[in-house]
Amino acid sequence: NAGVTQTPKFRILKIGQSMTLQCTQDMNHNYMYWYRQDPGMGLKLIYYSVGAGITDKGEVPNGYNVSRSTTEDFPLRLELAAPSQTSVYFCASPGTGDMNTEAFFGQGTRLTVV
Amino acid sequence: AQSVAQPEDQVNVAEGNPLTVKCTYSVSGNPYLFWYVQYPNRGLQFLLKYITGDNLVKGSYGFEAEFNKSQTSFHLKKPSALVSDSALYFCAVRDRGAGNMLTFGGGTRLMVKP
Repeated sequence: NAGVTQTPKFRILKIGQSMTLQCTQDMNHNYMYWYRQDPGMGLKLIYYSVGAGITDKGEVPNGYNVSRSTTEDFPLRLELAAPSQTSVYFCASPGTGDMNTEAFFGQGTRLTVV
Repeated sequence: AQSVAQPEDQVNVAEGNPLTVKCTYSVSGNPYLFWYVQYPNRGLQFLLKYITGDNLVKGSYGFEAEFNKSQTSFHLKKPSALVSDSALYFCAVRDRGAGNMLTFGGGTRLMVKP
């Protein structure tokens, strides 16, 4: 059981380029989240989804877009990369109900915008 | 809105001594509470959670946490610290009645010295 899988692990972008960070979970969870973690800082919520076809903004959504066409996939899109988007990005998916309510995290994508 | 506070950016402890990493939270309803650990260049790993019942929760690697409803705290503890416990620790809260949003504290860096 893979849990949450993120790709790529590392990426360098030039200012103005675009890219999509992929996130897939095989746990059949409804909830999925995208966070960013700046150096030495905590996690900030970018976007989240409560099920296929439903997404909503988190704390820091500007410069990003998401889609949720299937339960498994929750890609994060950067349209015009900016240096301020240099960060480590984590996808996470919690279960529901008491027994599996903890969130499972992907390994992260380290993005540098130059 | 729910929030989590980790008042200490860093905690230093000698190997073999007990450790405590503090966390307080604010939610409108009943919380799920979590602790996660992050080692360098890795994703977040789940340590333990509070759902209901016994206020003392035991988790992975000898860690435990005590839920205190009156003080709205969920401090992480370990009786005897190891150098290998050195990492970044995150407390998180999820309000059962608020769409399962997961909110993280800013993180506390634990340094265990030999």
